[in-house]
Amino acid sequence: QKEVEQDPGPLSVPEGAIVSLNCTYSNSAFQYFMWYRQYSRKGPELLMYTYSSGNKEDGRFTAQVDKSSKYISLFIRDSQPSDSATYLCAMSRGNYQLIWGAGTKLIIKP
Amino acid sequence: DAGITQSPRHKVTETGTPVTLRCHQTENHRYMYWYRQDPGHGLRLIHYSYGVKDTDKGEVSDGYSVSRSKTEDFLLTLESATSSQTSVYFCAISEGGGAGTDTQYFGPGTRLTVL
Repeated sequence: QKEVEQDPGPLSVPEGAIVSLNCTYSNSAFQYFMWYRQYSRKGPELLMYTYSSGNKEDGRFTAQVDKSSKYISLFIRDSQPSDSATYLCAMSRGNYQLIWGAGTKLIIKP
Repeated sequence: DAGITQSPRHKVTETGTPVTLRCHQTENHRYMYWYRQDPGHGLRLIHYSYGVKDTDKGEVSDGYSVSRSKTEDFLLTLESATSSQTSVYFCAISEGGGAGTDTQYFGPGTRLTVL
């Protein structure tokens, strides 16, 4: 079993919808939780990171961590076609070593 | 891509040949990483470096070696390429070796095909 599980999708939603992306994990030692966005044929770029449990908001993006359930989420409000990309979750115990989900491909239809 | 270049961007080679991929950064970051990305596996760390001549193995290091003789350059070598090493290779850099605040910035990637 992988340490981090992420549904590969694709997830297709209409423009303006609220998108929910999720990852589950098995290692309770993870303290840092990150979401990266990767456009086709590009490298990943950091969207948000959260330390321990709770919520973090940045514009249209909200990251949630539920350590009791070992579950993290990324919500995108008012989704735009430019949000179409693959979203990767990554986790760490606190050092350089990131454990990655496989990524969810998101398609926003105009 | 945060001052990171990778070369070549695409390469097709044959089984058994040596291959070297280059990562060059202009950010003067201490940490550099090599990952591979394969469908269904996400990103997996091959090797990383925490300074000039200081390197260590990641989770999928077999068949790969690295060298870092200058802060700005990190080389990944496949000594004898195999078809299982067909993948997209990403270089990343970070100022420090922590998570969270020590963001890893990624290069554009190299697509390697081993026939």
